[in-house]
Amino acid sequence: QKEVEQNSGPLSVPEGAIASLNCTYSDRGSQSFFWYRQYSGKSPELIMSIYSNGDKEDGRFTAQLNKASQYVSLLIRDSQPSDSATYLCAVIAGNQFYFGTGTSLTVIP
Amino acid sequence: SQTIHQWPATLVQPVGSPLSLECTVEGTSNPNLYWYRQAAGRGLQLLFYSVGIGQISSEVPQNLSASRPQDRQFILSSKKLLLSDSGFYLCAWSVGLNRTEAFFGQGTRLTVV
Repeated sequence: QKEVEQNSGPLSVPEGAIASLNCTYSDRGSQSFFWYRQYSGKSPELIMSIYSNGDKEDGRFTAQLNKASQYVSLLIRDSQPSDSATYLCAVIAGNQFYFGTGTSLTVIP
Repeated sequence: SQTIHQWPATLVQPVGSPLSLECTVEGTSNPNLYWYRQAAGRGLQLLFYSVGIGQISSEVPQNLSASRPQDRQFILSSKKLLLSDSGFYLCAWSVGLNRTEAFFGQGTRLTVV
């Protein structure tokens, strides 16, 4: 069983819409959760981290964590074409980082 | 501030040739260091991680090896490259192992021909 699972997409949303990205993880003991954005041909860059149940907002991004359901999500409000990228969910489990395979997001102008 | 340097950015190597990729971190001490590989259209595969000088943990048996000769230096090597070694190699660092983010270098695009 994979440690972190994401829907690979592709996910397409119109400009200005809300993009919703989802991630599930298998290790109930995981305490730290991250979202990375990766543009084509580039390395991943951290955009959000979340450690407690609930929502965490940073500008147009909101991360949501539900440890009981082992579920992490990322909402991108007012999506822009520049948000088009692959979004990787990452979890620390057993002292290691585990990444999902990523969800490809395209924002259509 | 902390920065991570990884080089070269691109590399084309023939099958059977050796490999050496280097990664250095500035602005922090005793970082945890990681080597990942990302094949085309695939997720990140953890290859090696290190919590200190000379301490290397391997995640995937393969013809690659890693070394950490200095606190902030992490090297990925191979004696003989295979075609299947092609991919995007990423070095990353973090401080501690829990509740801390990992930050990535620019990556090395390796093509084995």
